[in-house]
Amino acid sequence: QSALTQPPSVSGSPGQSVTISCTGTRSDVGTYERVSWYHQVPGTAPKLIIYEVTNRPSGVPDRFSGSKSGNTASLTISGLQAEDEADYYCSSYTSSITWVFGGGTRLTVL
Amino acid sequence: QITLKESGPTLVKPTQTLTLTCTFSGFSLTTTGMGVGWIRQPPGKALEWLSLVFWDDDKRYNPSLNNRLTITTDTSKNQVVLTLTNMAPEDTATYFCAHRTSWLPGAFDVWGPGTMVTVSS
Repeated sequence: QSALTQPPSVSGSPGQSVTISCTGTRSDVGTYERVSWYHQVPGTAPKLIIYEVTNRPSGVPDRFSGSKSGNTASLTISGLQAEDEADYYCSSYTSSITWVFGGGTRLTVL
Repeated sequence: QITLKESGPTLVKPTQTLTLTCTFSGFSLTTTGMGVGWIRQPPGKALEWLSLVFWDDDKRYNPSLNNRLTITTDTSKNQVVLTLTNMAPEDTATYFCAHRTSWLPGAFDVWGPGTMVTVSS
């Protein structure tokens, strides 16, 4: 199975908004509402920030939002803060009852 | 509170078999909807999903690993064991186990801290 496609890097200034895309296929992102997003500070375990495309686990700020159109899901972070600087990964459930992750996106807060 | 922790060797030789154990607490793997997955991350690279076992003992594997993976459970010990045969240098990675519940479909909501495995002779 092929990894989902994410931009290697994005950047933004504090207070701005950034959007990270995640492109899959009809066998994963395009068919299932089971896209999740993870935030990872290098050297630590990933943390779930979005599940089922748009839902936030308790404790995740509403500055983080998710959406999907066709085979592409997106994570938007509004009101950027320095602490948002990290790696972000998308993941999707697939038609083979497996999971696939994206290549990861490094967010730099300028 | 759900917690998971990975354990196993930090160094294995090429062609050897890696055996990793995920010891968890705060849930039962016999409860409908539960699951434990394994994900790895080579140094400086992306996450890669490896395997998952569901509460009903349904087991799923990454097809890219060419049948090298086996996942088993010991519900009495709250453990999930992953084996990866024929280890090679490209299998050097941090290996994570993570909790999955049908309440958050498709997502891994709690992760262990990970364990680093190096493949070298």
